[in-house]
Amino acid sequence: GENVEQHPSTLSVQEGDSAVIKCTYSDSASNYFPWYKQELGKRPQLIIDIRSNVGEKKDQRIAVTLNKTAKHFSLHITETQPEDSAVYFCAASPPNFGNEKLTFGTGTRLTIIP
Amino acid sequence: DSGVTQTPKHLITATGQRVTLRCSPRSGDLSVYWYQQSLDQGLQFLIQYYNGEERAKGNILERFSAQQFPDLHSELNLSSLELGDSALYFCASSARVRTSESPLHFGNGTRLTVT
Repeated sequence: GENVEQHPSTLSVQEGDSAVIKCTYSDSASNYFPWYKQELGKRPQLIIDIRSNVGEKKDQRIAVTLNKTAKHFSLHITETQPEDSAVYFCAASPPNFGNEKLTFGTGTRLTIIP
Repeated sequence: DSGVTQTPKHLITATGQRVTLRCSPRSGDLSVYWYQQSLDQGLQFLIQYYNGEERAKGNILERFSAQQFPDLHSELNLSSLELGDSALYFCASSARVRTSESPLHFGNGTRLTVT
């Protein structure tokens, strides 16, 4: 089955700086890669996703890049703000299965230092 | 508010006992997923139902079972509870089974503590 590894497990950055979280996946057939944000004590929420037919996707301060050859994808957060502090989970899914066979990474706890 | 309702919010019980966690999906969503999140761990997929039928199984223990009812709400039954079952259990729903166009919408979770 799919295996998703996520690094780093914890990350602290100064407010205003950029943060990058990286994930690798094992199944070369995977083609859907969402990112979820979980604030302390709250539920995970989808913040951005990317499909394998594109290499990059942006949404305001958040971007995700995908390297299919290397089987890794990354979340980039620019101009970080205190409200970005949360645990971020990457995930991967094989073709035609969408959420049905979503495998999550172990999460990255991001702390923004004011 | 995601529209996914989970009850109860907290549950404290003793080892060996049995509990039932309940989930009501967003209106119109046919798929329900159950995840387990242990302390400082990721989201472990347990099981998925689509329109009343089991669709996919993850690392769900034999002591655990689930079902989805005709009104689409779902219940996760945990029996012979062990200390290691203490975790946050999330339910999520989505509109379609096999499309990335339909993201997962998570409930607020049920925190289970086994003493």
